[in-house]
Amino acid sequence: SQKIEQNSEALNIQEGKTATLTCNYTNYSPAYLQWYRQDPGRGPVFLLLIRENEKEKRKERLKVTFDTTLKQSLFHITASQPADSATYLCALDELGGGFKTIFGAGTRLFVKA
Amino acid sequence: DTEVTQTPKHLVMGMTNKKSLKCEQHMGHRAMYWYKQKAKKPPELMFVYSYEKLSINESVPSRFSPECPNSSLLNLHLHALQPEDSALYLCASSQEATGYNQPQHFGDGTRLSIL
Repeated sequence: SQKIEQNSEALNIQEGKTATLTCNYTNYSPAYLQWYRQDPGRGPVFLLLIRENEKEKRKERLKVTFDTTLKQSLFHITASQPADSATYLCALDELGGGFKTIFGAGTRLFVKA
Repeated sequence: DTEVTQTPKHLVMGMTNKKSLKCEQHMGHRAMYWYKQKAKKPPELMFVYSYEKLSINESVPSRFSPECPNSSLLNLHLHALQPEDSALYLCASSQEATGYNQPQHFGDGTRLSIL
């Protein structure tokens, strides 16, 4: 079955810097990959979706890349702010009995003022 | 505020109790999901409903019983739970359940504690 690794349990950066989070997956390449934000005690909030035929997607200060050769997605937050502090989850589809979404363990991002 | 509403926000119950978790969405989505999330772990899929029919059951113990009365409502009936079932239970919905281009909208969950 598919396995997702988000290689940093926690990431500390200074305000104004760019945060880069990594998501690696094994086995087959998914048709798409998603990134979610989760704050403590809240449900995940969808941020961006990137398809297998897209190399890069942007939304305001967010950028996602998808490298199907490396089996990796990078999630960038530019000009980071303390309000960006949260857990960021990578998610992708797993084929089998109908599509279902599986989530990585997440990376906790701390942005210091 | 989220567009998926879950009640109650918190629930404490004994192992012999019967309770239900409720989830509601009015976005016209045709797929609804239940996830279980333990602290510092990712959400784990439990059930998927598509067009009000159960399409995925991730080998969940029968003490969890889902129900989809209509396209806007999803319930999770709980009976004879174990302490290890204590977790955050998340409901989500999406336009369709086909997988492609289907971001999910999550509620803020029910924090369940089993005594």
